[in-house]
Amino acid sequence: QSALTQPRSVSGSPGQSVTISCTGTSSDVGGYNYVSWYQQHPGKAPKLMIFDVTKRPSGVPDRFSGSKSGNTASLTISGLQAEDEADYYCCSYAGSYTFGVFGGGTKLTVL
Amino acid sequence: EVQLVESGGGLVQPGRSLRLSCAASGFTFHDYAMHWVRQAPGKGLEWVSGISWNSNNIVYADSVKGRFTISRDNAKNSLFLQMNSLRGEDTAFYYCAKDGGNSPYFDFWGQGTLVTVSS
Repeated sequence: QSALTQPRSVSGSPGQSVTISCTGTSSDVGGYNYVSWYQQHPGKAPKLMIFDVTKRPSGVPDRFSGSKSGNTASLTISGLQAEDEADYYCCSYAGSYTFGVFGGGTKLTVL
Repeated sequence: EVQLVESGGGLVQPGRSLRLSCAASGFTFHDYAMHWVRQAPGKGLEWVSGISWNSNNIVYADSVKGRFTISRDNAKNSLFLQMNSLRGEDTAFYYCAKDGGNSPYFDFWGQGTLVTVSS
């Protein structure tokens, strides 16, 4: 199973919005409404930010939102803050024999 | 508070074995599937293996199939990963992750344990 495709980096100024894309195939992103997004600060464990394409766990600010169209999922962060600077990974369910396939990760820089 | 604490990492020679453990607390361990996810230094995340709550369903990434074995002990709230025939490309931080339950995602992660495969 190939990794999902994410841009290597995105950037934005405080207060702006950024969108990170995650492109897969009909066998993963396009085939299931099971895309999740994880935030990872340097030296830290990943943290769940979005699950089931659009749902936010409790404690995650509503500045973070998820969507999906066809084989591409997206994470949008509005009202950028300095603490949002991190690596972001998407992940999609890909069937019972390949539980999860991750994207290569996107480094978000807050200018 | 959910806590996942991995242990067992270290430096190991190619071809040798290592067993990782994950001690879970703060939730009803036997109600949830569990996973191992790894991350090579400076690289992205890779799902390694998952095990259902009752150990009846076990899946592996192709990259570790036949070499790694996942298991759990619900009485001791513990998850394990037996890694055999280790290769240099297995060098990574190994994270224990709790399954979301109703759908496939990882809602809590441990801090990871580093496995270095080198002669």
